[in-house]
Amino acid sequence: KQEVTQIPAALSVPEGENLVLNCSFTDSAIYNLQWFRQDPGKGLTSLLLIQSSQREQTSGRLNASLDKSSGRSTLYIAASQPGDSATYLCAVRFTGANSKLTFGKGITLSVRP
Amino acid sequence: DAGVTQSPTHLIKTRGQQVTLRCSPKSGHDTVSWYQQALGQGPQFIFQYYEEEERQRGNFPDRFSGHQFPNYSSELNVNALLLGDSALYLCASSLGLWQYFGPGTRLTVT
Repeated sequence: KQEVTQIPAALSVPEGENLVLNCSFTDSAIYNLQWFRQDPGKGLTSLLLIQSSQREQTSGRLNASLDKSSGRSTLYIAASQPGDSATYLCAVRFTGANSKLTFGKGITLSVRP
Repeated sequence: DAGVTQSPTHLIKTRGQQVTLRCSPKSGHDTVSWYQQALGQGPQFIFQYYEEEERQRGNFPDRFSGHQFPNYSSELNVNALLLGDSALYLCASSLGLWQYFGPGTRLTVT
């Protein structure tokens, strides 16, 4: 069964800290992987997309890496700010799944001033 | 360019009723997917429409049905509502790699 796991479910850090959010998936046959941000009660905002042939993608203070062989992705957030507080979701498009995304449950991040 | 839009924003229904949710994709996007997100969970794939046909379906009962119109907009219908159908319903449109999500419709079943 194709599954995506994000641990821990919640994380609290002081402002300014560099942090890493983890995502693991059960099947290495993936097409791509996307990281999303979700504010409470809102929709999803796409942050980064990594193709299966890529190792990492960067956007501003965010960097996402992909290791297909170990079934892992990490989202690195540099110099965290209170405005980064949100839930971060990892979603995998497995090979043969058309556009279907399989999501983890998300990591709720709280950045303390 | 307007992003993905969904209506209504919030909805309260009674158990056993039927509901229709609507989605307008990003301009030019021909594929629409629907997801259900229960509180504290990640979104779960319901189904996907492409060229007015259901292309793929997740593990949801037949009470969940949909439609895509020639302008690519889409509807999600849920019949015989159960309390467990209370969730945020998200629509996503895509053309190529990225999926863009709408703000969602919050459905509460009482």
